[in-house]
Amino acid sequence: GQQLNQSPQSMFIQEGEDVSMNCTSSSIFNTWLWYKQDPGEGPVLLIALYKAGELTSNGRLTAQFGITRKDSFLNISASIPSDVGIYFCAGRPMNSGYSTLTFGKGTMLLVSP
Amino acid sequence: DTGVSQDPRHKITKRGQNVTFRCDPISEHNRLYWYRQTLGQGPEFLTYFQNEAQLEKSRLLSDRFSAERPKGSFSTLEIQRTEQGDSAMYLCASSSDIRNTEAFFGQGTRLTVV
Repeated sequence: GQQLNQSPQSMFIQEGEDVSMNCTSSSIFNTWLWYKQDPGEGPVLLIALYKAGELTSNGRLTAQFGITRKDSFLNISASIPSDVGIYFCAGRPMNSGYSTLTFGKGTMLLVSP
Repeated sequence: DTGVSQDPRHKITKRGQNVTFRCDPISEHNRLYWYRQTLGQGPEFLTYFQNEAQLEKSRLLSDRFSAERPKGSFSTLEIQRTEQGDSAMYLCASSSDIRNTEAFFGQGTRLTVV
């Protein structure tokens, strides 16, 4: 099946630093989503991207849909302690139908005050 | 709008027992999804309903798993003869094709098979 490679696996940063994580696939996707998951909770949607090259912001978060349609990145600027959590990319492969999302393995972010 | 609700939040069961989980989607959402998430992994798709029709099932959904959405509202996921490998977080999500929304996830049911 489809696989998404998400990196880095984990990051430990100081409060105030900027963070970047990315996701790549072996096939073309028509949708890229970024979710955040806190311990013991379900994933919460942060940003949705639908067009190649699209750059979208949500507060301190910015994500881009790669031109090749095989990658996406998420940037977090001026990190704060509440940014701690696991960030997942998710995508919808071309011709997969609307239903199925494929998730990466996640990037665990730790922020030191 | 109370969000997606799942019950129970935690379940511990002995190997070989049957368990059933319930999901109440966001009220106007006609699509409902079940995912499974193990430690260190992202959610993996199990099955999908549009209204009461189960339209898609993953190969992960073995014969011991069955999901229903009888009236197109809440859904149940049953696992028969549980195995230790079934231990995972079971996530439900819902979306609306009318409003063209992405999936909103519930808080999940954490299953531990001992």
